[in-house]
Amino acid sequence: DAGVTQSPTHLIKTRGQHVTLRCSPISGHKSVSWYQQVLGQGPQFIFQYYEKEERGRGNFPDRFSARQFPNYSSELNVNALLLGDSALYLCASSPRGGANYGYTFGSGTRLTVV
Amino acid sequence: GESVGLHLPTLSVQEGDNSIINCAYSNSASDYFIWYKQESGKGPQFIIDIRSNMDKRQGQRVTVLLNKTVKHLSLQIAATQPGDSAVYFCAENMLGTGNQFYFGTGTSLTVIP
Repeated sequence: DAGVTQSPTHLIKTRGQHVTLRCSPISGHKSVSWYQQVLGQGPQFIFQYYEKEERGRGNFPDRFSARQFPNYSSELNVNALLLGDSALYLCASSPRGGANYGYTFGSGTRLTVV
Repeated sequence: GESVGLHLPTLSVQEGDNSIINCAYSNSASDYFIWYKQESGKGPQFIIDIRSNMDKRQGQRVTVLLNKTVKHLSLQIAATQPGDSAVYFCAENMLGTGNQFYFGTGTSLTVIP
């Protein structure tokens, strides 16, 4: 069975550019969450989507946005990139919106902003 | 506010010994906790979870203890193996916040053969 898949695996962008990261949840999972993990730190919650609706938002600026598609895949968009946006971006999926239902992470997208 | 922290950033143990990784949390409203293992270049991998109505839960070679009085969580790994070398995170969640987990900084476990 395929796990949570994220693309691309690595990405290099220039300050001020825009980036789109993609996530495909485990088949049958309807909830997707996004996290940012800066080197040497734990993941920090950005967004949760369940049944295509935003269910939670972390303490991130409006430059960060996301959406979930009818097939439950998701995109994370970041505008006006800053050097500090360099991080591993993780996607996690679960069958439902609650926390204790098979919460599984992907391997992430490594974003480097130069 | 919510914060999750770990007492020790690094831990080295001999192969075959038991490992104990500690975690403190500050939000008494947190009611669900997960321990994750993260290897280099990979996403966090679920190890074991525990709800706030329990104080102990066991899995294969792992045990999680929860002390709500002092808001402390620990992960015990029995007969530690080289493959256990990784960064370990505890993550907390509050009822009603869906999949919003708050992670600590992590403890890097090194197993010495």
